[in-house]
Amino acid sequence: GAGVSQSPRYKVAKRGQDVALRCDPISGHVSLFWYQQALGQGPEFLTYFQNEAQLDKSGLPSDRFFAERPEGSVSTLKIQRTQKEDSAVYLCASSLVSQETQYFGPGTRLLVL
Amino acid sequence: SQQGEEDPQALSIQEGENATMNCSYKTSINNLQWYRQNSGRGLVHLILIRSNEREKHSGRLRVTLDTSKKSSSLLITASRAADTASYFCATDPTSGTYKYIFGTGTRLKVLA
Repeated sequence: GAGVSQSPRYKVAKRGQDVALRCDPISGHVSLFWYQQALGQGPEFLTYFQNEAQLDKSGLPSDRFFAERPEGSVSTLKIQRTQKEDSAVYLCASSLVSQETQYFGPGTRLLVL
Repeated sequence: SQQGEEDPQALSIQEGENATMNCSYKTSINNLQWYRQNSGRGLVHLILIRSNEREKHSGRLRVTLDTSKKSSSLLITASRAADTASYFCATDPTSGTYKYIFGTGTRLKVLA
């Protein structure tokens, strides 16, 4: 079946603008993760959903970052009042359950000017 | 902050040679996964090894896990130019969180 998809693939935002990044996980996958990847670094955990419940948001860098998965499938990561340091690739991954293989989407590359 | 550290940070080899990269981590884990990332693309899962396993194979890939040393290694045999990518390990701590932790990555370049 289809893999994890993310949209948009690229986003350029002016500092202070709000952005919304979408993730469509693999159908039937209970677990959904968001990661932030800076250039030349490994992905850093942001938040985790089990179905519609956000069970771990310890990696969200500030209260400007907000994620939701209201119906337990599609998820949206929202960043309010974007700052230059938010520029990164945002990766979404899903897995059947939390301790199994994660399947990653292609990522959204965010550039804040 | 990232728990895992890959070693070496960068590796350049000739096609046909073997490539070995290592990952060290800090806390007890449920499992460890290796991923490949081609430039500008998402991560592709390679192998998952559980804490009660010591070695796993998949095609030209061999992964070992030593929980007493908190380390893992990934061996790619008979490398190909297409293996050129960054390789990351990711650990699933047993601390009761869902916070998978990725290492800093090894950038492998296979020369044709």
